[in-house]
Amino acid sequence: QVTLRESGPALVKPTQTLTVTCTFSGFSLNAGGMSMSWIRQPPGKALEWLARIDWDDSKYYATSLKTRLTISKDTSKNQVVLTMANMDPVDTATYFCARIDFSGDGHFDFWGEGTLVTVSS
Amino acid sequence: QAVLTQPSSLSASPGASASLTCTLRSGINVDTYRIYWYQQKPGSPPQFLLNYKSDSDNKQGSGVPSRFSGSKDVSANAGILLISGLQSDDEADYHCMIWHSAAWVFGGGTKLTVL
Repeated sequence: QVTLRESGPALVKPTQTLTVTCTFSGFSLNAGGMSMSWIRQPPGKALEWLARIDWDDSKYYATSLKTRLTISKDTSKNQVVLTMANMDPVDTATYFCARIDFSGDGHFDFWGEGTLVTVSS
Repeated sequence: QAVLTQPSSLSASPGASASLTCTLRSGINVDTYRIYWYQQKPGSPPQFLLNYKSDSDNKQGSGVPSRFSGSKDVSANAGILLISGLQSDDEADYHCMIWHSAAWVFGGGTKLTVL
């Protein structure tokens, strides 16, 4: 059974660095074709993809946020971590992690429930 | 101009059909892209509905009814999600997505109201 769960601070101050962690079970990110992404959604607004990391440690970032983002994985802990520097109130959003199995159907097939991060002083 | 443009809202009656469009920015040819569609209800993460590249290359999500189907309008440079036999439970936000220039890109989402 595949599960994903996001965790992180509910509140961060402007200019701080956000660290959110996705802890997953039911699969290995070492398996060929596995990929994990972070996606966020401000309240009442659209989904925005942020970053992706693959089984082979390939990494991809949203162009508009690339300078602020770092994605990493710890396969021994079954975790994927996203850091976002220099947080601003416009970064207030629910942050989701989601999985793609490119050896399977190649779409986001499992999502976490998301973690709401509010940026405010 | 956004890479993917979706109408912000759409209303339709129960039993009717709804056609949700996802228009690609000029210069990005819809014919070469696989378009993914997700449904999202309040307080929940998105759920995969289907993807569509062509009539011979598309995938329905597990458990997704056949009343949900995908297509393209090449003349409009758009992907289309068609929902037939609308039910009240279809009321949700619908998001399209493509892989473009080494990034996943989402449209702005369409809020479908069934009334």
